Amino acid sequence: KNQVEQSPQSLIILEGKNCTLQCNYTVSPFSNLRWYKQDTGRGPVSLTIMTFSENTKSNGRYTATLDADTKQSSLHITASQLSDSASYICVVTPSGGSYIPTFGRGTSLIVHP
Amino acid sequence: NAGVTQTPKFRILKIGQSMTLQCTQDMNHNYMYWYRQDPGMGLKLIYYSVGAGITDKGEVPNGYNVSRSTTEDFPLRLELAAPSQTSVYFCASSYSQGGGNQPQHFGDGTRLSIL
Repeated sequence: KNQVEQSPQSLIILEGKNCTLQCNYTVSPFSNLRWYKQDTGRGPVSLTIMTFSENTKSNGRYTATLDADTKQSSLHITASQLSDSASYICVVTPSGGSYIPTFGRGTSLIVHP
Repeated sequence: NAGVTQTPKFRILKIGQSMTLQCTQDMNHNYMYWYRQDPGMGLKLIYYSVGAGITDKGEVPNGYNVSRSTTEDFPLRLELAAPSQTSVYFCASSYSQGGGNQPQHFGDGTRLSIL
């Protein structure tokens, strides 16, 4: 069964600090790995998309990395801002078939002033 | 652009009632999806569509029906509401199917409670 596990479940940091969120997956073979940001009461918004052949992708202060050999991805947030407080979701889509994605449960990030 | 619009935002149903969750997108995307998000869980795909007139089951389709008569609209129908269908429902659309490098654009969800 395809699984996506995210850690930590929740994280509290001070404004201006950096943090790294982890995503481990079992989906194989996979087509792409995506990171989404979901604000409370809103729908997810795409941050990065990496295909199986890419190992890093940046979007402003957000940098995602991918190690397809170990089936791990991380999302690094630099110089955090209060607006970064949200849930961050890792999503892995398989290849060669239905393309039904597997979503992680998300990491809840709180940034304090 | 409005992107993906879902209505209603909130709804309370009684067991056995039926309702339709509306979803419309103005990006001319062929691919549309319905997900449900239960508390503390990852999103689960209910149904998806690759174009007008074409729909297919996702991971958790039981108790739901969909139709796709136009590119813009992708309504989700609950026929006999059950407490297990209490959830937040998200509609999404994309330019390419999930395997591509195009993002899915999500609406802000419909919060449905069944009592």
